[in-house]
Amino acid sequence: EVQLVESGGALVQPGESLRLSCAASGFTFSTYWMGWVRQAPGNGLEWVANIKTDGSDKYYVDSVKGRFTISRDNAKNSVYLQMNSLRAEDTAIYYCTRTQGPVPFDDWGQGTLVTVSS
Amino acid sequence: DIQMTQSPSTLSASVGDRVIISCRASQSINSWLAWYQQKPGKAPKLLIYKASSLESGVPSRFSGTGSGTEFTLTISSLQPDDFATYYCHQYNSYTQFTFGPGTKVDIK
Repeated sequence: EVQLVESGGALVQPGESLRLSCAASGFTFSTYWMGWVRQAPGNGLEWVANIKTDGSDKYYVDSVKGRFTISRDNAKNSVYLQMNSLRAEDTAIYYCTRTQGPVPFDDWGQGTLVTVSS
Repeated sequence: DIQMTQSPSTLSASVGDRVIISCRASQSINSWLAWYQQKPGKAPKLLIYKASSLESGVPSRFSGTGSGTEFTLTISSLQPDDFATYYCHQYNSYTQFTFGPGTKVDIK
């Protein structure tokens, strides 16, 4: 059974940093692109970042470029999202997802809540 | 950047109705389009990928069509479990993914 389990969400103040983790199991992690998608309260889905199977390519939505960094550890079957200089508009549930070939985001974690507020 | 629009934003329907949701891309995405269903408090669920391929385990009353910039999701006979919000998602390039704003299907 595929499992994606996010952790690390918290209440932080504007300008602070946070690192989200996603532990994957039940599939060959190193053969999947991994990504993060977020959803602000009451809003729609927003893709945040993607990372290639071997970590060599990383892509971000414009609003987080220069502040967020996606990374992965294939030995630990984990993907991470380092979030710096957090803003109120980064408040959202952050989901970990996977993509392989023509099939995007076929499994999702339960999400982890990040709240940025003073 | 590729922008996605959906219509309608809200749709009121009854059990048994045929429901059609439209999605438009600001430029051609070939067939790299997916559809998701999301219920309150839950993660999204993949329904359709590559515009018309049904994800394993998804009921056959769901179908997708389109290519280029115009796409549709059809629910042939709406069931009680189908009341939810539906999102389209373009994945033409791994450098930039985009979701549509969503269509909420509620009870008429």
